[in-house]
Amino acid sequence: GAVVSQHPSWVICKSGTSVKIECRSLDFQATTMFWYRQFPKQSLMLMATSNEGSKATYEQGVEKDKFLINHASLTLSTLTVTSAHPEDSSFYICSANRILGNTEAFFGQGTRLTVV
Amino acid sequence: DAKTTQPTSMDCAEGRAANLPCNHSTISGNEYVYWYRQIHSQGPQYIIHGLKNNETNEMASLIITEDRKSSTLILPHATLRDTAVYYCIVRAAGTALIFGKGTTLSVSS
Repeated sequence: GAVVSQHPSWVICKSGTSVKIECRSLDFQATTMFWYRQFPKQSLMLMATSNEGSKATYEQGVEKDKFLINHASLTLSTLTVTSAHPEDSSFYICSANRILGNTEAFFGQGTRLTVV
Repeated sequence: DAKTTQPTSMDCAEGRAANLPCNHSTISGNEYVYWYRQIHSQGPQYIIHGLKNNETNEMASLIITEDRKSSTLILPHATLRDTAVYYCIVRAAGTALIFGKGTTLSVSS
């Protein structure tokens, strides 16, 4: 199956700093990538849809100025958590749809963010 | 909101078939049925998907009722490594996957 890679797998940062998470589709091109957040013992919650070459679409309740998304190429989307606070500590996961071919979405392995 | 209903949890003995049901009574004609699973602290793993015909791959089989209002994921010979949360999701091609609470499958020896 297709491979989606996230980096880093885990990160610890100080409150008030910013953290960038990368999501790459390694062997296919993706015009659309999605970002999710998952708190302990909960399901994945869609945060935003990232479209290559255009602005991301955010779900209701997700602050676009806090969670900056950039999708500058067909294989890379980044999520930057700005001025992180402890309540932003979570598991962040991206997924990507292939432009051509089958219709399944492929997920990265996730990034565990801990803000101290 | 998720458009599917799944049991909260299920148990299965190792080596036996695991049959995970899903109700999606409001599914639209252009929506597929997808199954993913998530093992603790990992990203979701694609299992199988279908539109209206039954599907089978190396991981599982997907049985979709004729009216498409429900489906069953079948793991033919469950192993301990199949212990995970299983998500049944309906979506149109290219749109985001919206996750419900899923079914926690526990496989025991």
